[in-house]
Amino acid sequence: DQQVKQNSPSLSVQEGRISILNCDYTNSMFDYFLWYKKYPAEGPTFLISISSIKDKNEDGRFTVFLNKSAKHLSLHIVPSQPGDSAVYFCAASNYGGATNKLIFGTGTLLAVQP
Amino acid sequence: DSGVTQTPKHLITATGQRVTLRCSPRSGDLSVYWYQQSLDQGLQFLIQYYNGEERAKGNILERFSAQQFPDLHSELNLSSLELGDSALYFCASSVDWGNTEAFFGQGTRLTVV
Repeated sequence: DQQVKQNSPSLSVQEGRISILNCDYTNSMFDYFLWYKKYPAEGPTFLISISSIKDKNEDGRFTVFLNKSAKHLSLHIVPSQPGDSAVYFCAASNYGGATNKLIFGTGTLLAVQP
Repeated sequence: DSGVTQTPKHLITATGQRVTLRCSPRSGDLSVYWYQQSLDQGLQFLIQYYNGEERAKGNILERFSAQQFPDLHSELNLSSLELGDSALYFCASSVDWGNTEAFFGQGTRLTVV
């Protein structure tokens, strides 16, 4: 049962344009959402997060949007740069619950073309 | 550098064998998480320890076990290895069980032949 889904395994965008990565979740108990970025041969690194009490969080070129009613979140990268090319994982957790395990999606490979 | 150290980086072993993966969390972090990433798969949560005690279990096989020691480092033991156990195993740590911003190590790539 995949509670966090990233339906696009890959995405290709031109440098300078917007990259939009999508994520859907099924568990309504999730109340904290994160995006991680992963380069080959490295561990995932935290990028940005959002709590369920917000619908938007921005950090520089990165913005995460949360639509609770649709159980959907997205990551916008503007403008996209070649160095952004990596696998992006969304993750969710029940922050207020008894455990804090992150449930990850399967990832989207972003390729930013120069 | 995330501050989380995993050893070894690579491990090649035969089916039926047993291996131990080691993780040193970031200084000050009390929670350790183990994840498995198989080919083309996302990160599958295996198990979480907090301050020496098991906190949560995910899709961890009975052939696998883990522990967290008093110095907070953790070990993941994989036994009776099968070809399908070949994967990247990541360790992550966070300050406490309620902190969801976990920091990941570089992973151990296990190849079972």
